[in-house]
Amino acid sequence: NAGVTQTPKFQVLKTGQSMTLQCAQDMNHNSMYWYRQDPGMGLRLIYYSASEGTTDKGEVPNGYNVSRLNKREFSLRLESAAPSQTSVYFCASSEGWGNEQFFGPGTRLTVL
Amino acid sequence: GENVEQHPSTLSVQEGDSAVIKCTYSDSASNYFPWYKQELGKGPQLIIDIRSNVGEKKDQRIAVTLNKTAKHFSLHITETQPEDSAVYFCAASGSFQKLVFGTGTRLLVSP
Repeated sequence: NAGVTQTPKFQVLKTGQSMTLQCAQDMNHNSMYWYRQDPGMGLRLIYYSASEGTTDKGEVPNGYNVSRLNKREFSLRLESAAPSQTSVYFCASSEGWGNEQFFGPGTRLTVL
Repeated sequence: GENVEQHPSTLSVQEGDSAVIKCTYSDSASNYFPWYKQELGKGPQLIIDIRSNVGEKKDQRIAVTLNKTAKHFSLHITETQPEDSAVYFCAASGSFQKLVFGTGTRLLVSP
């Protein structure tokens, strides 16, 4: 099992460009999450999907959109990137609420 | 909403010493408290968790304690080894069952 995979690993964008971060899990988990990690601020929840077909906002959703494509895949889209979105992005999945979350290796995004 | 505070931000110990990291939370309805270890360049990985109906849990050299009255929980690592060096995050699952993370503790274990 690969667990949680994320692509790309690194990305550099110019302000105003758009991109989609991809995430897939092979553990048949119901819930999936997107976090961003910034120095000194821990991990903050951007969006989550409690189950296939549902998505909800987390703590810092502004500037992002998500799509739960199917049970395996959960993508994060930046429509118009801003320097404030420079961060490391982690995708995670779990069987459900209150269960262990398994994290992917992260995507390091720089917006110039 | 839930707020989690974590201390200290950095912790340096000698190999073989014990390390303690403390967290406090604000939402009395929180009922799930995991601890994650993050090595450089990797995603966080769960090392131990505790639920609100339990006061203490151990797994070899790692233990977590929970005081619901005081709304704080702690991670204890005994007989530290250089490979324990990493960033550790506590988290709490509040009323809306979303995990809220602390800001992390960088643990450095010197040989």
